[in-house]
Amino acid sequence: DAKTTQPNSMESNEEEPVHLPCNHSTISGTDYIHWYRQLPSQGPEYVIHGLTSNVNNRMASLAIAEDRKSSTLILHRATLRDAAVYYCILRRDNNAGNMLTFGGGTRLMVKP
Amino acid sequence: EAGVTQFPSHSVIEKGQTVTLRCDPISGHDNLYWYRRVMGKEIKFLLHFVKESKQDESGMPNNRFLAERTGGTYSTLKVQPAELEDSGVYFCASTPLRGSRSGANVLTFGAGSRLTVL
Repeated sequence: DAKTTQPNSMESNEEEPVHLPCNHSTISGTDYIHWYRQLPSQGPEYVIHGLTSNVNNRMASLAIAEDRKSSTLILHRATLRDAAVYYCILRRDNNAGNMLTFGGGTRLMVKP
Repeated sequence: EAGVTQFPSHSVIEKGQTVTLRCDPISGHDNLYWYRRVMGKEIKFLLHFVKESKQDESGMPNNRFLAERTGGTYSTLKVQPAELEDSGVYFCASTPLRGSRSGANVLTFGAGSRLTVL
């Protein structure tokens, strides 16, 4: 699977937007961009995913660069509950190798 | 809809003992995955079931680990004999079987089973 690169940590103030970047310069045409997060003492939780177009859901927005070599997860108003490790993961669209490959992720700290 | 359930939430055993972790996936989810995070390391894939068959067990660390999914419903992961380096959190995840569009599949994870080997 293609590799992703994320900052180790980021800080945000509560109620402000947060932009979490991810670089994936070796992405292939069939790779979906997935974001998961892990809250303290919980399992990873799906956030959002996309292929080429920007995506919005109730949790976040995903902005995908035109060349697909990078993407940004946007939390529109960070809350203390959003403090977690955020993982940007590429998933190939085929029948084999269905697993997720986790990297180090970005630890998001939210200040009141 | 009930989520992915894992049991026990925490197990403390001595080196050399046996532990069995259980995962109940979301009903109807044919894909079941095991992952683990050992202290200070990243979350790593262990294996993948499609129904009762092992699709990919390339992440299993050694033959002390045995995973089963008889009947294609719940799964167990047995560690026998446990070693100190097996300590960590073991996660289970499931997803429906959707043919070739696996890239868009979303995994639902359980809360994990913490294993402490003393």
